[in-house]
Amino acid sequence: NAGVTQTPKFRILKIGQSMTLQCAQDMNHNYMYWYRQDPGMGLKLIYYSVGAGITDKGEVPNGYNVSRSTTEDFPLRLELAAPSQTSVYFCASSGQGVGDTEAFFGQGTRLTVV
Amino acid sequence: RKEVEQDPGPFNVPEGATVAFNCTYSNSASQSFFWYRQDCRKEPKLLMSVYSSGNEDGRFTAQLNRASQYISLLIRDSKLSDSATYLCVVNRAGGYQKVTFGTGTKLQVIP
Repeated sequence: NAGVTQTPKFRILKIGQSMTLQCAQDMNHNYMYWYRQDPGMGLKLIYYSVGAGITDKGEVPNGYNVSRSTTEDFPLRLELAAPSQTSVYFCASSGQGVGDTEAFFGQGTRLTVV
Repeated sequence: RKEVEQDPGPFNVPEGATVAFNCTYSNSASQSFFWYRQDCRKEPKLLMSVYSSGNEDGRFTAQLNRASQYISLLIRDSKLSDSATYLCVVNRAGGYQKVTFGTGTKLQVIP
């Protein structure tokens, strides 16, 4: 049972480059989320989705975009990478809203922008 | 004041000790609460939900104090494997974007 799978695990980007962080879940969850975690900080919600075709902004959406064409996949796009986007990115999914039930997290993507 | 506050620690305790962490929240309308565990450089995983009447899972006990607006996690008979960062999660109600993760309390259990 794979759960939530994120790729890549590590990435170094140059300022101004773009990339897509991939996230897939095999639990048939409707709810999916992207968080970032900076050192010594809590998780901050970037974007979330309540089902295929539906996405919405979280707390820190600037500089990111998402799409949800299928229930399984929820990629996060970084356009014009900036050093402030250096962080650990976690994708998560849950069967109900994350405040109501357990959220399952991917292993994270460690991104450095230089 | 932060929405959710935790003492970052570290809490260094010997094996077998009892240790407790608190997490305070600022919004009195908060509805649901959880403790997650995060190992170093790993993803968070649910440890336990926190119910109004308090709940226990083996060596772990979670309590909610609505009057003082905090939740607590008590770990008895600490094991080396309990070493991790413990995140509290508070749902302010009103949707998924209203969930706040604390910054975590680091626990180090020493042999």
